[in-house]
Amino acid sequence: KNQVEQSPQSLIILEGKNCTLQCNYTVSPFSNLRWYKQDTGRGPVSLTIMTFSENTKSNGRYTATLDADTKQSSLHITASQLSDSASYICVVSSMNTGFQKLVFGTGTRLLVSP
Amino acid sequence: EAQVTQNPRYLITVTGKKLTVTCSQNMNHEYMSWYRQDPGLGLRQIYYSMNVEVTDKGDVPEGYKVSRKEKRNFPLILESPSPNQTSLYFCASSLPGARGTEAFFGQGTRLTVV
Repeated sequence: KNQVEQSPQSLIILEGKNCTLQCNYTVSPFSNLRWYKQDTGRGPVSLTIMTFSENTKSNGRYTATLDADTKQSSLHITASQLSDSASYICVVSSMNTGFQKLVFGTGTRLLVSP
Repeated sequence: EAQVTQNPRYLITVTGKKLTVTCSQNMNHEYMSWYRQDPGLGLRQIYYSMNVEVTDKGDVPEGYKVSRKEKRNFPLILESPSPNQTSLYFCASSLPGARGTEAFFGQGTRLTVV
């Protein structure tokens, strides 16, 4: 069964600190992996998209890594800001189904404390 | 500005009273999809559409209907809402193609059925 698991479920860090969120998936055959940021009660907004051949991708202070062999991804946030407080969702798609059947993780809820 | 627009943003209704949540995108995307998001669960797909007049069930279609008469619009219809349909709903759209294709989400509709 295609699944995406994220850890930790929630995280509290001090403003200015770094953190890393994890995503493990069993989706096969793999097409791409996306990280989304979702503010409370708002729609998810894309941070990065990585295909099979990409190991790392950055978007400002956000850096995503992908290990397709171990089926793991991480999202590293550098020098956190209060505005980083949100849920971060890992989403994986299969070559067979693409956008029609995206597989969503349950998210990591990050709170950046002053 | 490229966007997916949902209306209304918030809705409180009574059991059994038919309602429609509208979704419109201005990016000429073929693919559109509806999701619901509940606490502790990832986004779950309700219905999706690959093009005009082409729709299919997602993982949780019971109690919902959709239509795709025009490319830009994909309304979600609840013929007889029940309290277990209280949730946060998101519409999304994308171009075809599994590899690296961006998916755009609307801002969400918070529905409460009493």
